[in-house]
Amino acid sequence: SYELTQPLSVSVALGQTARITCGGNNIGSKNVHWYQQKPGQAPVLVIYRDYNRPSGIPERFSGSNSGNTATLTISRAQAGDEADYYCHVWDSSTGVFGGGAKLTVL
Amino acid sequence: EVQLLESGGGLVQTGGSLRLSCAASGFTFSDYAMSWVRQAPGKGLEWVSAISGSGGSTYYADSVKGRFTISRDNSKNTLYVQMNSLRAEDTAVYYCANSGYSGSWYDGFDHWGQGTLVTVSS
Repeated sequence: SYELTQPLSVSVALGQTARITCGGNNIGSKNVHWYQQKPGQAPVLVIYRDYNRPSGIPERFSGSNSGNTATLTISRAQAGDEADYYCHVWDSSTGVFGGGAKLTVL
Repeated sequence: EVQLLESGGGLVQTGGSLRLSCAASGFTFSDYAMSWVRQAPGKGLEWVSAISGSGGSTYYADSVKGRFTISRDNSKNTLYVQMNSLRAEDTAVYYCANSGYSGSWYDGFDHWGQGTLVTVSS
């Protein structure tokens, strides 16, 4: 079965750029979606189909996908960006989520 | 405004059954595929199942195949999942979700309910 690998944790200084990776075999050939989840809340879609932002998501959030790695980039990180972030793809009619990465803003 | 409201969660014994519902509003329900996604306490997200807008196509994670059945009633704007032979590892918050921007089951989820907790215990 297809697997997605994310770092357990990522730290970023306030105002700097955070990059959260999602590794998978030839993931560049798939559409990758990214979610932000804060404690006690439902996930929120922040990037869909590799690099598209839903309405209401700040331009500070961007995505890229190539080869075996997809990346969610958060520019000018804010305290409110602290959350768990999950990548998501579809493979063989099955939804697959990464294990999630906890973003800490220092 | 799109709203998804799950219900039916609770405490059930190992081997028991439970049916979850997801009441949808704010969009033409039959035009949109729907999915269930779960999250065990303190763990990550896990996709469970999906169903097409007509209900004619269904998809399942291997972990629930043969035990869970997804269905929908488009006249009631409601999504269901019948969960049988429940195990401790099925304990989770269950979310219903869909892709409002595409309607496809094979896409990202921009609409989520608030979830309903299922606890399976002996």
